[in-house]
Amino acid sequence: EIVMTQSPATLSVSPGERATLSCRASQSVGSNLAWYQQKPGQAPRLLIYGASTRVIGIPVRFSGSGFGTEFTLTISRLQSEDFVVYYCQPYNNWPPRYTFGQGTKLEIK
Amino acid sequence: QVQLVESGGGVVQPGGSLRLSCAASGFTFSNYGMHWVRQAPGKGLEWVAFIRYDGSNKYYADSVKGRFTISRDNSKNTLYVQMNSLRAEDTAVYYCAKEIPDLYNYYYLDVWGKGTTVTVSS
Repeated sequence: EIVMTQSPATLSVSPGERATLSCRASQSVGSNLAWYQQKPGQAPRLLIYGASTRVIGIPVRFSGSGFGTEFTLTISRLQSEDFVVYYCQPYNNWPPRYTFGQGTKLEIK
Repeated sequence: QVQLVESGGGVVQPGGSLRLSCAASGFTFSNYGMHWVRQAPGKGLEWVAFIRYDGSNKYYADSVKGRFTISRDNSKNTLYVQMNSLRAEDTAVYYCAKEIPDLYNYYYLDVWGKGTTVTVSS
């Protein structure tokens, strides 16, 4: 089973600044990594797949990078609605045994 | 638009059973594999189960194997999970999610329902 480690668990950043969230895999997942955003009381929403492909409709201030075992989600020019929880997930498993990172909570500094 | 709507959650005693449903609309349900993912109160996301587009293959997390059964009715555009022998640790919001292939035929979860809450308590 692939273990995903997100860091930090909580990230404090000021509005308008840039946030950098990290996700590390216990073994290579190539570029098969997705990022999800979850607002309180809501379902997760897909932001990024293929490590760096932004979903249609997701603001350009969200960007993803990385390959193999190290991945980054960068949110530039933070807005108030961005201060929520983010999860990474690899998806190259077969048979499917999907795992998620434990999440990074982005909070207002 | 693509929509998934879960139902069937509620309060059940330990050892009890519950069946959740997920009604799909806005896409050709029979073409896509489907997943259940859960989230315990204040916790992260846990993948629960997967079923192929035609129901021919099913996979489960170790934590629910032997107790949960995923199924689908493509004629009704509906996904199910039958949950038996429920435990307190099964208390969670249960989401259904649709998968979609990327350019290299690896499947990620692109659409999620809003979830239904299951509480296992005496």
